[in-house]
Amino acid sequence: NAGVTQTPKFRILKIGQSMTLQCAQDMNHNYMYWYRQDPGMGLKLIYYSVGAGITDKGEVPNGYNVSRSTTEDFPLRLELAAPSQTSVYFCASSYSPLAGIYNEQFFGPGTRLTVL
Amino acid sequence: DQQVKQNSPSLSVQEGRISILNCDYTNSMFDYFLWYKKYPAEGPTFLISISSIKDKNEDGRFTVFLNKSAKHLSLHIVPSQPGDSAVYFCAATRSNFGNEKLTFGTGTRLTIIP
Repeated sequence: NAGVTQTPKFRILKIGQSMTLQCAQDMNHNYMYWYRQDPGMGLKLIYYSVGAGITDKGEVPNGYNVSRSTTEDFPLRLELAAPSQTSVYFCASSYSPLAGIYNEQFFGPGTRLTVL
Repeated sequence: DQQVKQNSPSLSVQEGRISILNCDYTNSMFDYFLWYKKYPAEGPTFLISISSIKDKNEDGRFTVFLNKSAKHLSLHIVPSQPGDSAVYFCAATRSNFGNEKLTFGTGTRLTIIP
């Protein structure tokens, strides 16, 4: 049981380049999330998905796109990289919430992205 | 607008003593609170949580206290151990929102001195 895996661990992009951050989970979780963490800041939600084929915007979605074709995978796409997207990106997953009950999110190890 | 605030960026505590990490929130609609722990080069891991219907929740060495009137929660670790050295994030949500609406604080780096 690998949990939540993310690739790559590190990446340097030039302004205007594009890339896809990969995320996979093997816990059969319905919910998946993408966060970014800037230095000295908390995690901010970029996009999330409540199941295959269903995605929605979080707090900071501009400049990103996502897709969810399977339960296991939730890739994050940067189309035109900008220096403001330099950050550490975390993918997470969880079971569906029950009414009034929070289910913990399991996080991947992160991808450190630098845009120059 | 930072709705969840951790005003101490860092904290150093002697091994064996109590560590107290603080968190304040401004949104009175939040009714569920969590602490996550993060080691370098790893993702955050869930530590402990508390619902607003309680004022205390305990799990081994970790206790979270919630003061709703002051919109304040704290995490107590006793006794502190070297493995507790990490960054701790406070997070809050409204339970009827489900999992997707966590608001995180900026984190407190805890260093346990042997």
